[in-house]
Amino acid sequence: GESVGLHLPTLSVQEGDNSIINCAYSNSASDYFIWYKQESGKGPQFIIDIRSNMDKRQGQRVTVLLNKTVKHLSLQIAATQPGDSAVYFCAEKGGGYQKVTFGTGTKLQVIP
Amino acid sequence: GAGVSQSPSNKVTEKGKDVELRCDPISGHTALYWYRQSLGQGLEFLIYFQGNSAPDKSGLPSDRFSAERTGGSVSTLTIQRTQQEDSAVYLCASSRGHANTEAFFGQGTRLTVV
Repeated sequence: GESVGLHLPTLSVQEGDNSIINCAYSNSASDYFIWYKQESGKGPQFIIDIRSNMDKRQGQRVTVLLNKTVKHLSLQIAATQPGDSAVYFCAEKGGGYQKVTFGTGTKLQVIP
Repeated sequence: GAGVSQSPSNKVTEKGKDVELRCDPISGHTALYWYRQSLGQGLEFLIYFQGNSAPDKSGLPSDRFSAERTGGSVSTLTIQRTQQEDSAVYLCASSRGHANTEAFFGQGTRLTVV
């Protein structure tokens, strides 16, 4: 569901390590999923997306995994850098004109 | 324009005053969203416009909040009789509606009620 009044969980990762950010989505009918990155003072920005007919998609240093059986989405960031420090949101969308629904968000802190 | 534009970027208002926040979506985007984000927190959905359909207002926290979208383009979020708890960043996003493509966000309006 929508994130309301919730303080963000924090994931602390050493620079150079891999990060895994998890997200449980709510609607089994959702067929499109997106990860966003929000840096301090800015609006969320698109990182990577995946459609429900896929279970894995790779980008530059990022991989998204989709497990429809348990309604779980994850974002893996390889060789995490200080510039990766941000809040990460997952989002889901059903077919047609259904609105995009955002998850709670996770704050990633990269330790130099 | 190239992206979603919001104005003003910052707004300080006195408690009890009305404020209007503006969003110019990406040209051709039929879907428009308003979200609220308090410091250190997630995205709180407020309202969703899609084409000429009746908007989804299910996220508006009280009747002091309203939004319009004129001509399927520009949107205005109005907060009447502002309260201190309304202080937050208000984010607008637009997308191509039915298409499985991402929503694009503006930089937000930071509202401070004093």
